[in-house]
Amino acid sequence: GQQLNQSPQSMFIQEGEDVSMNCTSSSIFNTWLWYKQDPGEGPVLLIALYKAGELTSNGRLTAQFGITRKDSFLNISASIPSDVGIYFCAGRAQETSGSRLTFGEGTQLTVNP
Amino acid sequence: NAGVTQTPKFQVLKTGQSMTLQCAQDMNHNSMYWYRQDPGMGLRLIYYSASEGTTDKGEVPNGYNVSRLNKREFSLRLESAAPSQTSVYFCASSRDRDYATQYFGPGTRLLVL
Repeated sequence: GQQLNQSPQSMFIQEGEDVSMNCTSSSIFNTWLWYKQDPGEGPVLLIALYKAGELTSNGRLTAQFGITRKDSFLNISASIPSDVGIYFCAGRAQETSGSRLTFGEGTQLTVNP
Repeated sequence: NAGVTQTPKFQVLKTGQSMTLQCAQDMNHNSMYWYRQDPGMGLRLIYYSASEGTTDKGEVPNGYNVSRLNKREFSLRLESAAPSQTSVYFCASSRDRDYATQYFGPGTRLLVL
């Protein structure tokens, strides 16, 4: 099946710094999603991308659908303490039927005040 | 609207015991999903249901059964629990036209001794 490689696995940053994380796949994806999971909660959708090259923002968050359709990036600008959590990429592979998604392993973000 | 609700929030089982995890959504979504989340492994799809009356296997279906009771409810059953099934279980749902945007419940934390 499809696999997603998400990096980095964890990040420790100071409040105010910018953050970048990415996700790569071995096959072509036609949808990329970025979720955030707070401790003890389910993942919450942050940004959805549907076209190669698409760049979408949600407040301080910006995500891009890679031109090759095999990668995606998430940037967080001017981080704040409430950005702490696990960020997951997810995608729907081109050859997948129905609505099945593949998830990355997550990036654990820690923000020091 | 409550969104996606799951019961119970936490459960301890002994090996060989059975139990059913309940999930309900009030968003009139056709598609529903069951995932398990293990440390460092992201979310893996167990079963999903594209519509009332249909269910399909996901990535890790062994040891589980599901029932799509009606449009709102999708249950996950462990017939004979094993320690390897210790995990956090998430239910999710999505609309037809926006299948990739899945809304997650708060999770059920299961410990099998």
